Amino acid sequence: EPEVTQTPSHQVTQMGQEVILRCVPISNHLYFYWYRQILGQKVEFLVSFYNNEISEKSEIFDDQFSVERPDGSNFTLKIRSTKLEDSAMYFCASSDWSDPNEQFFGPGTRLTVL
Amino acid sequence: AQSVTQLGSHVSVSEGALVLLRCNYSSSVPPYLFWYVQYPNQGLQLLLKYTSAATLVKGINGFEAEFKKSETSFHLTKPSAHMSDAAEYFCAVSLSTGNQFYFGTGTSLTVIP
Repeated sequence: EPEVTQTPSHQVTQMGQEVILRCVPISNHLYFYWYRQILGQKVEFLVSFYNNEISEKSEIFDDQFSVERPDGSNFTLKIRSTKLEDSAMYFCASSDWSDPNEQFFGPGTRLTVL
Repeated sequence: AQSVTQLGSHVSVSEGALVLLRCNYSSSVPPYLFWYVQYPNQGLQLLLKYTSAATLVKGINGFEAEFKKSETSFHLTKPSAHMSDAAEYFCAVSLSTGNQFYFGTGTSLTVIP
């Protein structure tokens, strides 16, 4: 069964460093999303991406964040200068044009900022 | 503004007992509603969804949920809990296709043998 994959599963970085979280959405999906979950808190929407551009973003997704679909398979989230409060689990999701309501989530990348 | 409230961050039931996980939402327009399950170290798996069709929705693993507009609720139930149901459950709402999801804080379900 097709699934969303994310790499790495765990990323440790120093404050101020740039990180890139990678996602491979399900191959025929057209909508892509990033969410994050700070430990003990709810899953929060960051950004949605469609047709090679951001379709919606939350107030969390400030200038430190960017997304890119560098090729036909990967979808990346970049944090330019990480802060301690960026430590969280980051989930990628994708959905199909035929049923955009059903978002398929990846296993997440746990980002730890020291 | 949209929000989702899950009453009870932790729920314990005995194996074979009824599972009831509560979810209430607030939305300015008719919502789409979802329940996701998260097993340890795994991603979010869709259990079921309501998208303005039948109000009683059946999902995977014997779970079902009923959309009650008058109560703004979408509670998740399962008649008989199984040990494998132990996981974190998230209720979510979206407003239109392809839009962002708003998640509740999650309910951790423990099944006691």
